[in-house]
Amino acid sequence: AQSVTQLGSHVSVSEGALVLLRCNYSSSVPPYLFWYVQYPNQGLQLLLKYTSAATLVKGINGFEAEFKKSETSFHLTKPSAHMSDAAEYFCAVKPPGGSYIPTFGRGTSLIVHP
Amino acid sequence: GAGVSQTPSNKVTEKGKYVELRCDPISGHTALYWYRQSLGQGPEFLIYFQGTGAADDSGLPNDRFFAVRPEGSVSTLKIQRTERGDSAVYLCASSLASNTGELFFGEGSRLTVL
Repeated sequence: AQSVTQLGSHVSVSEGALVLLRCNYSSSVPPYLFWYVQYPNQGLQLLLKYTSAATLVKGINGFEAEFKKSETSFHLTKPSAHMSDAAEYFCAVKPPGGSYIPTFGRGTSLIVHP
Repeated sequence: GAGVSQTPSNKVTEKGKYVELRCDPISGHTALYWYRQSLGQGPEFLIYFQGTGAADDSGLPNDRFFAVRPEGSVSTLKIQRTERGDSAVYLCASSLASNTGELFFGEGSRLTVL
């Protein structure tokens, strides 16, 4: 069984401030982990992924995430928020292997104040 | 087109009617997924195709829901005797290979059942 928990349905930051979106996972085997972003009226798009290589993963638009096995976490960060980062962010988990389906969290809405 | 295309983008129907939602994946992508996203929730898995066959349909909520992919490309999600609780955004995603877990999403079909 696999699942993800995203703490906080909404996160509000000021422009230029640090962004931290939390994701904790549960998986019976070492997982693949993903962050997707959904801008208003658009489809989900992949921000970054962890597939058992480097634990610190860098993605698009200055985002990065660190896989911490001891904490079962994969939190998403960005040093300095931009107005254009306002969107819905989803964490997803999938065990390796083609027969497994990615499971998504409930999402966190990032609000950026000027 | 370059991305995953879903039609219609919006569908309003009456309770009890039959609905079809279409997904045209990225050319060459063998894996195709249907998810459902309700307001304030993350994508919820419905069904996964590898080629023409449904490799996993464990997420279909009941026998009113059915999906096909007869030629291994375009897929249609079919909902019979629609109910108000079926109202949601239906997301389609495709992937070059199912074991990567990296999904490319369409913009979704918003279904409203009155």
